[in-house]
Amino acid sequence: DVKVTQSSRYLVKRTGEKVFLECVQDMDHENMFWYRQDPGLGLRLIYFSYDVKMKEKGDIPEGYSVSREKKERFSLILESASTNQTSMYLCASRGASSYNSPLHFGNGTRLTVT
Amino acid sequence: AQTVTQSQPEMSVQEAETVTLSCTYDTSESDYYLFWYKQPPSRQMILVIRQEAYKQQNATENRFSVNFQKAAKSFSLKISDSQLGDAAMYFCAYTPYGTGTASKLTFGTGTRLQVTL
Repeated sequence: DVKVTQSSRYLVKRTGEKVFLECVQDMDHENMFWYRQDPGLGLRLIYFSYDVKMKEKGDIPEGYSVSREKKERFSLILESASTNQTSMYLCASRGASSYNSPLHFGNGTRLTVT
Repeated sequence: AQTVTQSQPEMSVQEAETVTLSCTYDTSESDYYLFWYKQPPSRQMILVIRQEAYKQQNATENRFSVNFQKAAKSFSLKISDSQLGDAAMYFCAYTPYGTGTASKLTFGTGTRLQVTL
């Protein structure tokens, strides 16, 4: 069974801090994603990666960057955290071998920026 | 750009009854995939059902079925014999056919389903 692990379930950071959210998947998936979930807005794509060192902006990339140095790990970076980045962050992965393959999600990281 | 719309922020159903959650989408593609995901209070997103656009037959998974209307760009989820464990947020999602940059899923805003006794 696919496992996607996010390093923290809850995180509290101060405004201006650099924040790293880590995600690891164990199924050799080519594609990895970072979504942000807010009430009434659903899931919005921040960044995704379809291969090692490859990344593409999603719908709301401002204030975020990502890193994918190894296939199994996809990191989301908040260069200077702000209060409007308080949210639930969901990491997901998806294989490329089957076009209708679903996303497999981690348990989410609830980030609070004070 | 593709968009997915869920017009029902909240729905309620009595245990053992049937409920239908609505989803519409906008795309210029002819080949794509649609999904329904469930997010219970544990926050773990779980795939409920998927539909390939080229298949005319509606997908079914036990008590869950879809009504896929390609021309109308509609993809509703029917839950039969509702159970307390069905209470969750439900998200509709779309992805075009393809790999690489086409691999991303676009989600709707979600419908919160309450199940009452």
